[in-house]
Amino acid sequence: EPEVTQTPSHQVTQMGQEVILRCVPISNHLYFYWYRQILGQKVEFLVSFYNNEISEKSEIFDDQFSVERPDGSNFTLKIRSTKLEDSAMYFCASSDLQGNYGYTFGSGTRLTVV
Amino acid sequence: QKEVEQNSGPLSVPEGAIASLNCTYSDRGSQSFFWYRQYSGKSPELIMSIYSNGDKEDGRFTAQLNKASQYVSLLIRDSQPSDSATYLCAQNTGRRALTFGSGTRLQVQP
Repeated sequence: EPEVTQTPSHQVTQMGQEVILRCVPISNHLYFYWYRQILGQKVEFLVSFYNNEISEKSEIFDDQFSVERPDGSNFTLKIRSTKLEDSAMYFCASSDLQGNYGYTFGSGTRLTVV
Repeated sequence: QKEVEQNSGPLSVPEGAIASLNCTYSDRGSQSFFWYRQYSGKSPELIMSIYSNGDKEDGRFTAQLNKASQYVSLLIRDSQPSDSATYLCAQNTGRRALTFGSGTRLQVQP
């Protein structure tokens, strides 16, 4: 079964540092997403990406966040200057068409900001 | 504001029973609905999607959608201890983002 792969599984970083979370979406999928889940809270949409540009973003996705598809396989989320409240599980997902058939989520990166 | 509401639970059912999970949503423009299962510390895993009013069955799972009442449900027949997890309801209004509910925790007692 095709998988969405995320690395690292756990990242600890100092407040104010930059982090890059990496994802390899399913190869024939066209839409890519980042979601986050703060411990004990809902899964929240951050951003969607299609055709090498952001197609939609939430209020959470402010100027400290950016996404990139640096090559044909990777999809990254960069947090420029991490805050304590950025500590969460970050999930990458991908879908074919417009997500009407549901997403496939990666296993997540647990980000801990200290 | 698009909201998806779920009872947080826990919903406790004995092994072999039917578990019934419910979800209501506020956005009448919602077109697609999804049920995900999430084990503690793991990522959401898609169980069912439903787009039309009525029932959709897949193995032990049945999703039910009533757009007039803005209500989605998931029935799990012959519940197993391995079904113990948090079940997330999500909606897609035609744009690409999914809005998730907070989830219902299901406990299946052996």
